[in-house]
Amino acid sequence: ETGVTQTPRHLVMGMTNKKSLKCEQHLGHNAMYWYKQSAKKPLELMFVYSLEERVENNSVPSRFSPECPNSSHLFLHLHTLQPEDSALYLCASSQETGGYGYTFGSGTRLTVV
Amino acid sequence: AQSVAQPEDQVNVAEGNPLTVKCTYSVSGNPYLFWYVQYPNRGLQFLLKYITGDNLVKGSYGFEAEFNKSQTSFHLKKPSALVSDSALYFCAVREVGGGADGLTFGKGTHLIIQP
Repeated sequence: ETGVTQTPRHLVMGMTNKKSLKCEQHLGHNAMYWYKQSAKKPLELMFVYSLEERVENNSVPSRFSPECPNSSHLFLHLHTLQPEDSALYLCASSQETGGYGYTFGSGTRLTVV
Repeated sequence: AQSVAQPEDQVNVAEGNPLTVKCTYSVSGNPYLFWYVQYPNRGLQFLLKYITGDNLVKGSYGFEAEFNKSQTSFHLKKPSALVSDSALYFCAVREVGGGADGLTFGKGTHLIIQP
């Protein structure tokens, strides 16, 4: 375990469903991130939270809605997704400053049918 | 803006031979540089980082990387490859003083070590 836990590990959902992905870290980090990993594409940064406030949203469609209730938890709420949203969704955390890099969770494999 | 290029989609190396996975970067100022490894259906695992100091950085599992500022490169190397090194490798950059800005990753290089 890396210290960043993502649940569920796998999720299959219909296009009309609403679901949420959860990420939890107990590393004392101040920043948390959602990344999308699709086949044959670079990792795409979706959302950045620093000290529980969103600081970056890389033009992600509104069908993805993040929530960061405290520095240890991060959610990604999903609704009316499209099949092309099927991907591995990775959560990461880091110290806000300093070059420590990120600690990643194992990801949630999402399939939209 | 910051960017990373990994010019090879795949690198094939025979077991026991040295391996190199290439990475070049672009940032406005000074970089923090990272290598991560990903095994199937898993998240990214940290291998090593360059922050400051010696240009040759040693990391996990016998890997090392050399920071070359003039060539803006940070190639990953290992003297003797193992079959278990087969995985997807990502180079990443973050500009010094970038605060909570996200790391920018390359598209990844599949490393295949043949027995």
